[in-house]
Amino acid sequence: GESVGLHLPTLSVQEGDNSIINCAYSNSASDYFIWYKQESGKGPQFIIDIRSNMDKRQGQRVTVLLNKTVKHLSLQIAATQPGDSAVYFCAEKAGGGADGLTFGKGTHLIIQP
Amino acid sequence: DSGVTQTPKHLITATGQRVTLRCSPRSGDLSVYWYQQSLDQGLQFLIQYYNGEERAKGNILERFSAQQFPDLHSELNLSSLELGDSALYFCASSVEGRMSTDTQYFGPGTRLTVL
Repeated sequence: GESVGLHLPTLSVQEGDNSIINCAYSNSASDYFIWYKQESGKGPQFIIDIRSNMDKRQGQRVTVLLNKTVKHLSLQIAATQPGDSAVYFCAEKAGGGADGLTFGKGTHLIIQP
Repeated sequence: DSGVTQTPKHLITATGQRVTLRCSPRSGDLSVYWYQQSLDQGLQFLIQYYNGEERAKGNILERFSAQQFPDLHSELNLSSLELGDSALYFCASSVEGRMSTDTQYFGPGTRLTVL
């Protein structure tokens, strides 16, 4: 993944609107993808995951879409709430079992009242 | 609360020193992972242990080492510390770690400051 740097991409949305956070991954061998949410001063919190044999998966208020052709992943959050404010990371893992996750740079989601 | 615990929460030390970070995985999880989060490198995988044995290595420096004990808690040892080692260090755990789809749950992290 790319380095984070001091400035994360920022997405600002109105409370109640839907949010879409995008992520491009680089490893064609990756077969498992996860979205994590990280609030200030806390560790990454698991939101939703998807395997490479799927192109869509839904959770509570969240949907993950996977497009393997263009190596793109997105997280959709419905009816965004103030508690959704956080940095969102996509992560990927290559097949074969053992190994850590490769994280993307993260997107800072800001909820406007 | 993920169920993963890490101590200490904060650690301030000087260059050249050695520190030990501790992690207790979720009950029943056999795999422990260590990650480093810094402003310039983002979240990076360091090392994984499964049931006491090293399973995978990432971008871990030779000055860093880890181990997992019989009770499954893990320690990350950082030595000859440099200013650039200042970062958040996270531990994550998963049930097994042999399956690529094993969900990793993260602890609250240890913030290391090297002065």
